Order: sequence, then structure tokens, then C-alpha cells
Amino acid sequence: KNEVEQSPQNLTAQEGEFITINCSYSVGISALHWLQQHPGGGIVSLFMLSSGKKKHGRLIATINIQEKHSSLHITASHPRDSAVYICAVEYFGNEKLTFGTGTRLTIIP
Amino acid sequence: KAGVTQTPRYLIKTRGQQVTLSCSPISGHRSVSWYQQTPGQGLQFLFEYFSETQRNKGNFPGRFSGRQFSNSRSEMNVSTLELGDSALYLCASSSLGFGYEQYFGPGTRLTVT
Repeated sequence: KNEVEQSPQNLTAQEGEFITINCSYSVGISALHWLQQHPGGGIVSLFMLSSGKKKHGRLIATINIQEKHSSLHITASHPRDSAVYICAVEYFGNEKLTFGTGTRLTIIP
Repeated sequence: KAGVTQTPRYLIKTRGQQVTLSCSPISGHRSVSWYQQTPGQGLQFLFEYFSETQRNKGNFPGRFSGRQFSNSRSEMNVSTLELGDSALYLCASSSLGFGYEQYFGPGTRLTVT
């Protein structure tokens, strides 16, 4: 069964802390997406990657294909980073997104 | 460039009724995919349309259907609504489908009473 597991499910941190959210998947993928969902429901695509590392501002996403694992890092976290972060993968031969259950991040000022 | 739009944003229906939701993709995008989000099941893929053809479908009953028009706008229809269909329905557009960045709309929140 193709599954996507995220950890932790919930994370509370102080403003300024370095944040790491993890995503593991079960078989080979063609791409992995990191998404951000704020209260109210809108989803924003943060990264799409199939290898290596990408950086955008304070956000960094990495993927290890051999380990079937990806991480999303947030440096110098800020209360506006509070949201649910969702990992989604595209498995080879299965053109659709399979989603993790999400990580609820709360940054306290 | 205007983003993905979905109408209506909120909808309340009664069990047994049917509902049609609309999604207008970013101009130039040919792929539209639909998702259901519930507290219990999370986000689940419904189907994807590309150039008016359904390319892939998730594990949902036949009551869930969709279509795409020549201008890439897409609609999804749910017939014989059940209480469990209450959810946030999201669509996403991309230039050529999966393997490319997905741009999500704000969603339609459907409540079935």
C-alpha cells in the first residue's frame, strides 16, 4: 500500500527556533510536494522536488531518494509560519497526489 | 495572472440532493485535479482532467463525477448527497498535470444536513 507518513503530527515552538518536519514514503516516487495550509483552507505549494535540496527564503526542503525521506526546515521561525504543513507524493506509474496527514505547526511569540 | 478560483465558496445541501462545484484554472493551464478534505480522511484525490479528458480517478463512488470544458474550466458533481460528503473540496491546476507544480484554489466548503 502506498502510504505517506509525516512526523511530528503537532509541533509547538518559540519564535526564532529552527523547525524540522519529516516525511517518509514507501516506494519509488517521481516527485514530492510540500504544501502549506492556513486556517480557512487555502493551500499554497511551497516546493516540488525529485532530488537534492531547494531553498526559498527561510524555507528549505531536502529529499533523500535512497532513504525515501524528505524534510522541510524553517529557519528563524515566526508566528506567521503557524499553519498545517502537508507532504504529498507522486508515485511512479500512478499519476495523482497521495497526501500525508499533515503537521500542525504553532509558533509562539 | 489571476489564481485558481472556485465557486461557490460555501454551500449547504440536504441529503439526497445533488451539487455542482466549479473550478477555473490559471490561464494557460490545461490540467485540473480535484480533492476532498475531511477531518477523518485528510486530503484525498478525486480525479484529474487534462484537455477535457479524465486521466486518472481516485477511489470514490460513482456518485462523484466531473468534466472539463474546452476553456479548461472544470466542474465536479456529487449526486445523492450523503452526510459523509460534507467536506472541503479543493481543485488545483497545473500547466501539464502531475510532475509540474500544482496551484490550489481556495476550496468550496460543502455541508450536507
